[in-house]
Amino acid sequence: GQQLNQSPQSMFIQEGEDVSMNCTSSSIFNTWLWYKQDPGEGPVLLIALYKAGELTSNGRLTAQFGITRKDSFLNISASIPSDVGIYFCAGDYNTDKLIFGTGTRLQVFP
Amino acid sequence: EAGVVQSPRYKIIEKKQPVAFWCNPISGHNTLYWYLQNLGQGPELLIRYENEEAVDDSQLPKDRFSAERLKGVDSTLKIQPAELGDSAVYLCASSQRTGAQYFGPGTRLTVL
Repeated sequence: GQQLNQSPQSMFIQEGEDVSMNCTSSSIFNTWLWYKQDPGEGPVLLIALYKAGELTSNGRLTAQFGITRKDSFLNISASIPSDVGIYFCAGDYNTDKLIFGTGTRLQVFP
Repeated sequence: EAGVVQSPRYKIIEKKQPVAFWCNPISGHNTLYWYLQNLGQGPELLIRYENEEAVDDSQLPKDRFSAERLKGVDSTLKIQPAELGDSAVYLCASSQRTGAQYFGPGTRLTVL
């Protein structure tokens, strides 16, 4: 099935560092969502974006809905060990059918 | 508020056997989704329900997969017969409106 391009595929960072990841699509979306998935669990919603240019924060997480509506970015500031996991972006264009990214695997070292 | 509940969490079966997964969505969420997640990939939609009606089942392999959502609340996804390639995580999600979908913990299926 169709999946969005997400980069980087994986990141290995030191605790306290900031993290940036992005997601791109060949199609425009009206909704961008960012999820985190821990091993053996389902994806947990982090941030939802509904408007081009929108910038939304959730604690140390900040996400932006790209102006072109074809991309989105997620930043994590001052990473901590519990940030470890796989981050997925997901987009939708009024179809209520989410298209997911390929995921970014984050590893944080103390 | 209770989240999406799924059971069982793990299931191991032999190929050609039937298997069923159950999902209870967040209270008040009319839309329910079943997703398939293969190892190392993002979830992919199998079927979407609006109340009792399956409004998008285009990705559901109907020769062996079936789903139902009686009374517009709980839902069951069935595979009969299971094949080796069906080994994956089956995720249920629900939403109140278009946009934010909330996922359950998933059922990890292993077909031997």
